[in-house]
Amino acid sequence: KAGVTQTPRYLIKTRGQQVTLSCSPISGHRSVSWYQQTPGQGLQFLFEYFSETQRNKGNFPGRFSGRQFSNSRSEMNVSTLELGDSALYLCASSLFSRGMDTEAFFGQGTRLTVV
Amino acid sequence: TQLLEQSPQFLSIQEGENLTVYCNSSSVFSSLQWYRQEPGEGPVLLVTVVTGGEVKKLKRLTFQFGDARKDSSLHITAAQPGDTGLYLCAVGGGKLIFGQGTELSVKP
Repeated sequence: KAGVTQTPRYLIKTRGQQVTLSCSPISGHRSVSWYQQTPGQGLQFLFEYFSETQRNKGNFPGRFSGRQFSNSRSEMNVSTLELGDSALYLCASSLFSRGMDTEAFFGQGTRLTVV
Repeated sequence: TQLLEQSPQFLSIQEGENLTVYCNSSSVFSSLQWYRQEPGEGPVLLVTVVTGGEVKKLKRLTFQFGDARKDSSLHITAAQPGDTGLYLCAVGGGKLIFGQGTELSVKP
């Protein structure tokens, strides 16, 4: 079956702009989580959506937001981009968010560069 | 303060050597996961350990969960260049908390 698909793979934006990243989870998976990966901070949790509801949120400013659609596809948006937002953004999907079936499958990520 | 402390952060070894990566915490976890990430890819789950003292083997990789479920280790026997990558321990479900990772380089 198809894996987690993230688009676009690469993105270059200018400071102050906004960006929207997309994630299509594995078919049947209802939980989608987003992570930011940087060399200095490692992999950090952004937020998690389950059945269109935000279930958890990480410690990121309000410029970072997301949503999930009825088909479980998810988008995350970053407004007023800063240089420090340059990172690999990873999306992960799983069947459930709690309990035993929480194995997370990651997409290849979107590499965002802010100039 | 990191919830999960991984060590070492970097490891460069020759093919055929053995190595151990550690993941430590002062907290108790119901389970712990190990991932491997290759350049340009997302992390891939290697194993989930659940029971204190549990040992799981995946070919040349041996994973152990501490008796108190606060720490874990990953041991690789006879490392090969294909083992090169970033090894991450993590806890949680839909909200995963990761260690800083161990960057392993295995030279032929």
